[in-house]
Amino acid sequence: GQQLNQSPQSMFIQEGEDVSMNCTSSSIFNTWLWYKQDPGEGPVLLIALYKAGELTSNGRLTAQFGITRKDSFLNISASIPSDVGIYFCAGHGSGNTGKLIFGQGTTLQVKP
Amino acid sequence: DSGVTQTPKHLITATGQRVTLRCSPRSGDLSVYWYQQSLDQGLQFLIQYYNGEERAKGNILERFSAQQFPDLHSELNLSSLELGDSALYFCASSVVRPGREDGYTFGSGTRLTVV
Repeated sequence: GQQLNQSPQSMFIQEGEDVSMNCTSSSIFNTWLWYKQDPGEGPVLLIALYKAGELTSNGRLTAQFGITRKDSFLNISASIPSDVGIYFCAGHGSGNTGKLIFGQGTTLQVKP
Repeated sequence: DSGVTQTPKHLITATGQRVTLRCSPRSGDLSVYWYQQSLDQGLQFLIQYYNGEERAKGNILERFSAQQFPDLHSELNLSSLELGDSALYFCASSVVRPGREDGYTFGSGTRLTVV
């Protein structure tokens, strides 16, 4: 079935640094979404991308829908301690009923 | 509060037992999705319901079943539990029809521990 490969698996950075993570797929996706999960909570939607090439920002977060429709990246600028958590990419592939396929997640730790 | 309510928050049970997890979707949302999150497995799609009908199945074991009721709440039934079923189980809901591509709203999850 369709799979998303997310990297890196984990990151440990200094507060104030910029962060970049990405997701790739062997098949085309029609929508890319980025979620953040805090410990003990469900994932929360950060950014949704609907068109190839689309670049969308949400505060310090910026995400892009790759031109090939097979990849997406998420950048976090000037990281702060509350950015700690697990970031998931997710996508709707073609021909499915709306179910989201998730990447394996990137665990981000920020050192104050 | 995301608007998606899951109960119970924690559940500890013995192998071989059966449990029911409950989810109330966000007001107005017709689609309900169940996901399993194990430690090293990410979020695995189990099953989707739309307005009371099953619409998609993922890697859901035969020992697991689900339904969505007329008031749109959903229950996930897990039976003959095994140690490997220990995981976080998330429910999510969305307002749009299946085939429309949109994000989900997740509940806080039920942490199931099988001992």
